[in-house]
Amino acid sequence: GAVVSQHPSWVICKSGTSVKIECRSLDFQATTMFWYRQFPKQSLMLMATSNEGSKATYEQGVEKDKFLINHASLTLSTLTVTSAHPEDSSFYICSARGFSYNEQFFGPGTRLTVL
Amino acid sequence: GENVEQHPSTLSVQEGDSAVIKCTYSDSASNYFPWYKQELGKGPQLIIDIRSNVGEKKDQRIAVTLNKTAKHFSLHITETQPEDSAVYFCAARLRNSGYSTLTFGKGTMLLVSP
Repeated sequence: GAVVSQHPSWVICKSGTSVKIECRSLDFQATTMFWYRQFPKQSLMLMATSNEGSKATYEQGVEKDKFLINHASLTLSTLTVTSAHPEDSSFYICSARGFSYNEQFFGPGTRLTVL
Repeated sequence: GENVEQHPSTLSVQEGDSAVIKCTYSDSASNYFPWYKQELGKGPQLIIDIRSNVGEKKDQRIAVTLNKTAKHFSLHITETQPEDSAVYFCAARLRNSGYSTLTFGKGTMLLVSP
């Protein structure tokens, strides 16, 4: 099956610093990648959608200058949380979809804790 | 936009029993319906999906049914095992569209007791 990896799996940082999370599709080319945020006991909240080589499309209420997304290749997307604050602490999950536009596969998630 | 309702929010069953989770969707144009299983601290895992041209799909102990007219679809797990305990999410999307995104239900926490 299709595999999506994320790095790091968890990160703790100080308030005001920036954190970068990587998402890779290991065995398929991801034309579209998605970034989600999930709070405890809640569903997945889509933050942004990115197509390779294009600017990301952000969902309403998501600050594009705070959550920088880069999708430079068909196998790699990055999410940078800039000037992180405690309220940014959450579980961030990436997802990837290939050329078929059908199945969408998720990474294992990254637990971000901002002190 | 699409709206997906999922019920129940929690479901407790005894090992060996069947479990059924139901979802309804609002956009009749949606034609792709995946189900994901999420274990604690992990990302969602695609367990089964169904396209709108099919009414039912099975994969071992898991089955999904779709009623396009009523706009609802269900996940059926038979002979449940403790390792089936997890949160299950249904979703809906317009298939074969590079610009559409999954709309998720709120999730069902399934607890299978030994």
